[in-house]
Amino acid sequence: NAGVTQTPKFQVLKTGQSMTLQCAQDMNHEYMSWYRQDPGMGLRLIHYSVGAGITDQGEVPNGYNVSRSTTEDFPLRLLSAAPSQTSVYFCAVVGFNYGYTFGSGTRLTVV
Amino acid sequence: GDSVTQMEGPVTLSEEAFLTINCTYTATGYPSLFWYVQYPGEGLQLLLKATKADDKGSNKGFEATYRKETTSFHLEKGSVQVSDSAVYFCASHLGSGNTGKLIFGQGTTLQVKP
Repeated sequence: NAGVTQTPKFQVLKTGQSMTLQCAQDMNHEYMSWYRQDPGMGLRLIHYSVGAGITDQGEVPNGYNVSRSTTEDFPLRLLSAAPSQTSVYFCAVVGFNYGYTFGSGTRLTVV
Repeated sequence: GDSVTQMEGPVTLSEEAFLTINCTYTATGYPSLFWYVQYPGEGLQLLLKATKADDKGSNKGFEATYRKETTSFHLEKGSVQVSDSAVYFCASHLGSGNTGKLIFGQGTTLQVKP
């Protein structure tokens, strides 16, 4: 089925560890975004990309890196995890008429 | 800056009750407006949208009308079901040049009891 695939679904990290959250799409859309969801705060934009080789910062980019080498993949990297990065992370693909398709999320806990 | 504000939850209703979840927005232009729904353990799904003033979005018995004069996009449903229990997010999106920047409200949890 066409859609957005996020891996892993769950992850526990120790403070200071690094990891990459994967996001892959088979919808052939140019625009992709990463959001984090925290209780009472809705979803906040971390980084977004308007196409391969082009990325930009969102509302809360500190502590996260992204790259976009292909249309299909948009990984999110945590360089040195902190407890404040405990959250649920969603990748989204933006289609026609600004229709967003979200992945099922990655629940990250930093201890 | 641009923002979206929703009524605080949780909202608890009995089955077949009328639902309203308030949403207001601030924007420098004329955004498109959306309602997303998140069922437990899942990602967000688009529920409905409206792209210009006075448009009405509707889906699965839910409705919302884009009111420019009150900068609002309230979600309504005439008769809720237990299966409607979820978190509802209002969101706004400006046009080209801002693609990828969907601004969310904080979410409203709806619990429907039998």
